Amino acid sequence: QSVLTQPPSVSGAPGQRVTISCTGSSSNIGAGYDVHWYQQLPGTAPKLLIYGNSNRPSGVPDRFSGSKSGTSASLAITGLQAEDEADYYCQSYDSSLSGSSVVFGGGTKLTVL
Amino acid sequence: QLQLQESGSGLVKPSQTLSLTCAVSGGSISSGGYSWSWIRQPPGKGLEWIGYIYHSGSTYYNPSLKSRVTISVDRSKNQFSLKLSSVTAADTAVYYCAREAEGPIDYWGQGTLVTVSS
Repeated sequence: QSVLTQPPSVSGAPGQRVTISCTGSSSNIGAGYDVHWYQQLPGTAPKLLIYGNSNRPSGVPDRFSGSKSGTSASLAITGLQAEDEADYYCQSYDSSLSGSSVVFGGGTKLTVL
Repeated sequence: QLQLQESGSGLVKPSQTLSLTCAVSGGSISSGGYSWSWIRQPPGKGLEWIGYIYHSGSTYYNPSLKSRVTISVDRSKNQFSLKLSSVTAADTAVYYCAREAEGPIDYWGQGTLVTVSS
């Protein structure tokens, strides 16, 4: 059971727009901690896709965008391409009575139809 | 270009201690503003943060693993290490070392599979 909740899967046709949600709580996203997003292609290490809620590292296409509101965040991918098929993870920080920790969402598998 | 490379035993017996090392090249592990992390991913599952060590040497661990985890740094070799004690089959995973830049994890190692089995 992940602290951050993502849909297990999403899908879309080439050229379409898809969004992936990341829902947290008042001890993580809602507490003001930044959300970061990663793309993991099969058999490879995750790659930083979005940092600080909505910023793209150099080299990441502007088809990828992030946003945050309240206790949730979203990753949007426009102009879907076959090479976008991958697993996507959100990440934030959680601080509660049980301790403080970096936390990840459970991951979302994107299928390009 | 910063590079991280994990090494260590790929097979550990139940109840024993898992030991991995991450060699950092292309940059100094003593650089301020970064922490050096261990993250794992069980086969077919999601990512789990294990812990990190700051450039200052301070360590922070996942509360669920804290009693079994030790992360240390060897500045002379520009590397950091993970020890996880009393392992069980549930600790079987791909283990990644990574650099955290005050929030986002911007560099990852390629990962190494550790299997816990007798």
